Amino acid sequence: SQKIEQNSEALNIQEGKTATLTCNYTNYSPAYLQWYRQDPGRGPVFLLLIRENEKEKRKERLKVTFDTTLKQSLFHITASQPADSATYLCGAGNTPLVFGKGTRLSVIA
Amino acid sequence: NAGVTQTPKFQVLKTGQSMTLQCAQDMNHNSMYWYRQDPGMGLRLIYYSASEGTTDKGEVPNGYNVSRLNKREFSLRLESAAPSQTSVYFCASSETAGEVEAFFGQGTRLTVV
Repeated sequence: SQKIEQNSEALNIQEGKTATLTCNYTNYSPAYLQWYRQDPGRGPVFLLLIRENEKEKRKERLKVTFDTTLKQSLFHITASQPADSATYLCGAGNTPLVFGKGTRLSVIA
Repeated sequence: NAGVTQTPKFQVLKTGQSMTLQCAQDMNHNSMYWYRQDPGMGLRLIYYSASEGTTDKGEVPNGYNVSRLNKREFSLRLESAAPSQTSVYFCASSETAGEVEAFFGQGTRLTVV
């Protein structure tokens, strides 16, 4: 069956460092990947979408890569801040989105 | 802009009771979705509606039914609630059932005792 795996359940980093989150997929080839942020008690909020023919996408301090050979997406937050602390979800599709379990990021001041 | 609105926000049910979770969006989106989120399990798709008049099963449809009442509204019904259905339920919508962003509601926290 289609499977999305986010390798780390939790990730702690120091403020100012780059956070790197991993998303791997197996048993299918999604046409695109999406990344969402979820704060406690709230619904997920869309951050970035990257298509299979795109290697990299950037938005302010965020960068996403899509490697169809490795079947992997990496999500980077540069110059991380305590306000970046949240759970980040990777979603892969064709239709509809299938989500990974999420990675809880804690940025320590 | 309201976006995606879910009602109720919280609900406690007894085993065997039924209830309907309501979802409405004001963005004129064609596609709508119901997910459940459990600790350690992430978001799992229950049902979705790619367009008005269509519904399809997701990963975990057992014990649930849905109705796409019109373009705005997509409801989720639990006919006979079970403790295993204790979860946080999220409704989402997107412009199409393709590579576009999804907008989520604030969630309904359901406890079945």
